[in-house]
Amino acid sequence: DQQVKQNSPSLSVQEGRISILNCDYTNSMFDYFLWYKKYPAEGPTFLISISSIKDKNEDGRFTVFLNKSAKHLSLHIVPSQPGDSAVYFCAASARGGADGLTFGKGTHLIIQP
Amino acid sequence: DSGVTQTPKHLITATGQRVTLRCSPRSGDLSVYWYQQSLDQGLQFLIQYYNGEERAKGNILERFSAQQFPDLHSELNLSSLELGDSALYFCASSPGLGTGHNEQFFGPGTRLTVL
Repeated sequence: DQQVKQNSPSLSVQEGRISILNCDYTNSMFDYFLWYKKYPAEGPTFLISISSIKDKNEDGRFTVFLNKSAKHLSLHIVPSQPGDSAVYFCAASARGGADGLTFGKGTHLIIQP
Repeated sequence: DSGVTQTPKHLITATGQRVTLRCSPRSGDLSVYWYQQSLDQGLQFLIQYYNGEERAKGNILERFSAQQFPDLHSELNLSSLELGDSALYFCASSPGLGTGHNEQFFGPGTRLTVL
């Protein structure tokens, strides 16, 4: 039973345009959500997080949107740059982030010049 | 560099053996988490320690155990190893418990190969 789902295994976006990565979750106990970027054979790198008391959080080129009623979150990257090419993981946790993270399977983002 | 260190980087061993993976959290972080990344299961939470005490368990096998020492470094012990235990093992650390700014920062991982 996959509690965090990233339905797009891969996404190709032109440099300079907006990248939108989507994530759905099923567990109502999740109240803290994070996005990580990962390169092969490296550890995930934290990008941005959002608590369930908010519906939006921004950090530079990265914005995360949370729609609790739809149990859906998305990561927007604007503008997309070649260095953004990587696998992006959505993760969720309960108890304000105190629990271990439940990860989605990842979306491979490819930024084309 | 996340500030989380893991040793060794690579480990090759045989079935039935026992290995120990080591993790040093970021300075000041009290929580340590262990994750396994395998090709078929993705990234899975194994176990969490907070300030020396076990805090939460995920999909950790009984053959696996962990501990966190007074200096806050942690070790993951894997015993009676099977071929299917071959995976990347990540350690992550965070400041504490459910503060709302509890992002976990990951180490570079240990690649375990069981032959």
